[in-house]
Amino acid sequence: EAGVAQSPRYKIIEKRQSVAFWCNPISGHATLYWYQQILGQGPKLLIQFQNNGVVDDSQLPKDRFSAERLKGVDSTLKIQPAKLEDSAVYLCASSLISSFSYNEQFFGPGTRLTVL
Amino acid sequence: QKEVEQDPGPLSVPEGAIVSLNCTYSNSAFQYFMWYRQYSRKGPELLMYTYSSGNKEDGRFTAQVDKSSKYISLFIRDSQPSDSATYLCAMSDRGSTLGRLYFGRGTQLTVWP
Repeated sequence: EAGVAQSPRYKIIEKRQSVAFWCNPISGHATLYWYQQILGQGPKLLIQFQNNGVVDDSQLPKDRFSAERLKGVDSTLKIQPAKLEDSAVYLCASSLISSFSYNEQFFGPGTRLTVL
Repeated sequence: QKEVEQDPGPLSVPEGAIVSLNCTYSNSAFQYFMWYRQYSRKGPELLMYTYSSGNKEDGRFTAQVDKSSKYISLFIRDSQPSDSATYLCAMSDRGSTLGRLYFGRGTQLTVWP
C-alpha cells in the first residue's frame, strides 16, 4: 500500500514570497490533515478536511495560510506571504473516517520549508 | 501551561538498556493516548495506542496510562540502535477522526551499540 505522498521535500524561499505544498493521501482515506512542526516541537494541527469539507481550521493563520482539497483527494497548502517564523516541516497525514473508534493517522515525509 | 508536556532530552543509553519515556498533561478530557516514533527526516509513525487507563504491551514496548495522575509512559525493553529516534506522545479527547491530536514536543533517544 502506497503511503502519503508530499512534494516538494525541501523548499527555500525569501520572506514575503509565496509557497505551495502538495499532498496525496492514502487511497480511500477521506480525512486529511496538515500539521506544522517547528524544530524541537511536536506537530501542531493547521487544518483538517473530511472529504471536501473543512472540519477544523481553528489554528490556521488565515491571513497568510490557505488550503484546499478539491475532489476530496489531493490537497494543497499555501503560504502568502511567508514570514521567518513559518520555517518548519509541514506534514500531511490521512486517515479513514470513523465516528466511534480511533483511526490511525498516517503521515507523509513532510516538506521542510526554510524562510530566509 | 501547555496541554501536553514532554521532556525533550536528549536521552542516550547503551544497547540493551530499559528506556522510560514520559509525558504529563493537563486536560482531564483526554481519553486516547498514543506514542509516535519519528526518525530523522521522516514523518511520525504510530507505535502504540491506548484507550483510557491501564497498560498495553507490544513486543519490547509497553505503554502505561495513569489518568489519576495525568501521566503516561512508554517503556522500551532491550533497546536497540534501531530504536534511535524521536518519540512523540499524543493524546485526544475523542476517538473519532473528529478528535484533534495534541502532541508533546518529543524526546530524542539515542541507543549506542
